[in-house]
Formats: sequence, C-alpha cells, structure tokens
Amino acid sequence: EAQVTQNPRYLITVTGKKLTVTCSQNMNHEYMSWYRQDPGLGLRQIYYSMNVEVTDKGDVPEGYKVSRKEKRNFPLILESPSPNQTSLYFCASSLWGLSGANVLTFGAGSRLTVL
Amino acid sequence: DQQVKQNSPSLSVQEGRISILNCDYTNSMFDYFLWYKKYPAEGPTFLISISSIKDKNEDGRFTVFLNKSAKHLSLHIVPSQPGDSAVYFCAAWDDGAGGTSYGKLTFGQGTILTVHP
Repeated sequence: EAQVTQNPRYLITVTGKKLTVTCSQNMNHEYMSWYRQDPGLGLRQIYYSMNVEVTDKGDVPEGYKVSRKEKRNFPLILESPSPNQTSLYFCASSLWGLSGANVLTFGAGSRLTVL
Repeated sequence: DQQVKQNSPSLSVQEGRISILNCDYTNSMFDYFLWYKKYPAEGPTFLISISSIKDKNEDGRFTVFLNKSAKHLSLHIVPSQPGDSAVYFCAAWDDGAGGTSYGKLTFGQGTILTVHP
C-alpha cells in the first residue's frame, strides 16, 4: 500500500530533550515536506525537500532541523524542544512535476506535547 | 502574513443542500490551487484542484471555482452528505517566479463543515 509513515504517533517530552520524528514514504516521491497544525492557524510548512540532499525552509523553520540522505526518509529533528512546539505534525510527499499539479500524500500525523 | 485565508471557521449545512466553502489569497504568484479534506485522527487527503488558467473544475459532487481578479476560490459540494463532515483546507502552490518560493505549498486555516442528516 502506498503510504507515508510517521513515528511516533504520540509523544510527550520535556523541554530541552532532543527528539526526532521519522517520516518514510514508499512511493519513490521526490518531494517531501513537514507541516504543523495549530488551532486557528491551519497547516504551516516547516521545511521541504525537492530531492535527496536538497532542503529548504518553509514558513516556520525556527527550532527545527531536517535531513534528506535517502529519497524515502525525511526526519524532523527538534534539537531542544520548547512548549511552543507542542503541536500536531504532518509529513507529506509527492511526485514533482513542472505542471504545478503536485498532489501531496500525507501521513497520519504525530501529536507532540512538550512540557 | 497569512497569504491564504479561510475566513469562515465553520459551516453547518443540511443534508442534500449545497455547501460553499470560501478561500481568499493575496499572492499573485500562486499558480495552482488545491482543496484537502481532513477527518479527525487522520492526515489530510486531496479532494480537487484547479490551475490558475482555469476558472472552474468539476469532479462529481465537487466543483471548485476560481476568480483570479478577486483572488478568491470556492468549493461547492452538491448535494452535501453527512460523510462530508470534516475540516476543509484550501492550499496554493507558488510558481517560484519570485525566485524564492518554488516548492512551497501554503494552506489556509481550514473550515469545519458539518452536514446534518
């Protein structure tokens, strides 16, 4: 089954304790992206990657890092989590074409709470 | 600076009637618009899209209209069904002509649609 898999689905952690949210896709997609969803703010893009070793900042990159060493994986790293990073996180991927009609497939989400 | 706005946080509709969800944008570099639907505890799923060179796209019960001069798009669902109850997000791809935003997909805040039986 074609899918985007995120882990963990739920996590409670404490301020300053480094954590990584993994994301893997099995569709050979070039494009991958991370979003966070917060009440009243919708989905905001954190980082995205057009292909292996190519990453770029989205609208809210502060406090996050990413890497794209392999095509299928795009982990999100919080080096020193803070309470304002408590949110619902989504990873997504898509084939990338120049037509502009690139449809993202989303993972099921990871709910992160930072105390 | 919210470049894609959905000004109605919620919409309530009777089954069988039309649902109209609205979305406004400010960035003229957006060249493709999409609507996503999200159920609780799931990721968003793609619903329908429209290119900036079109003014209408239809797929079954779902139709998206684009008014470029007003920078406004709307999603019409006819007839509405209880299973359509979900959060709907509009989103826009930047064509990158500005040089820095290629690859960015910007979402609105979402509208909660409730369809009553």
